[in-house]
Amino acid sequence: QSALTQPASVSGSPGQSIAISCTGTTSDVGAYNYVSWYQQHPGKAPKLMIYDVNNRPSGVSNRFSGSKSGNTASLTISGLQAEDEADYYCSSYTISSTLEVFGGGTKLTVL
Amino acid sequence: EVQLVESGGGLVQPGGSLRLSCAASGFTFSSYWMHWVRQAPGKGLVWVSRINSDGSTTNYADSVKGRFTISRDNAKNTLYLQMNSLRAEDTAVYYCARFPVPQPAYYFDYWGQGTLVTVSS
Repeated sequence: QSALTQPASVSGSPGQSIAISCTGTTSDVGAYNYVSWYQQHPGKAPKLMIYDVNNRPSGVSNRFSGSKSGNTASLTISGLQAEDEADYYCSSYTISSTLEVFGGGTKLTVL
Repeated sequence: EVQLVESGGGLVQPGGSLRLSCAASGFTFSSYWMHWVRQAPGKGLVWVSRINSDGSTTNYADSVKGRFTISRDNAKNTLYLQMNSLRAEDTAVYYCARFPVPQPAYYFDYWGQGTLVTVSS
């Protein structure tokens, strides 16, 4: 069982917006603004999309945005495109001994 | 260009050992905290271990504590993971990844391509 809870799957049509939630606890997501999001295409390494809740690395499309409320963080993708179809993972710093925890991942399908 | 290239994966019997390597280039390796993250087939990402920039501090997931040892050679720009007493549940793709600088920064900005470890008789 993953430390952070994500929906197993979400879907949307091209051009639409979707949101992926990531629920933790007061020991991780709720305690720190250190939530990050990663995109992973099949057979590829994860790629950083969002860090520190709502910051985008250079080169990442501004269609990707992040937010947080309480113990739940969210990744929003607007203007869905076919190439957005991938698995998405959230991660957070945690005060537990593991130091870093991931969500179970969400498979995004672009219909 | 930042590059992280893992090697050393393969098929090993339960109870066996394996040492993974991660060769770093394109950045000042000795300035960065480095990590190992694994992904079992068809499953999600799981943090395994981390080491600080000079190698003096290490941390491990409970599932590998006492069996795995992370280390680094800053002169060779290489990160290692010594894995002993391997179990079937250790079967996964192992990625090396780095935290950016300056600290504190708690996200992985670059990842290697991964190396597959299969524990099976």
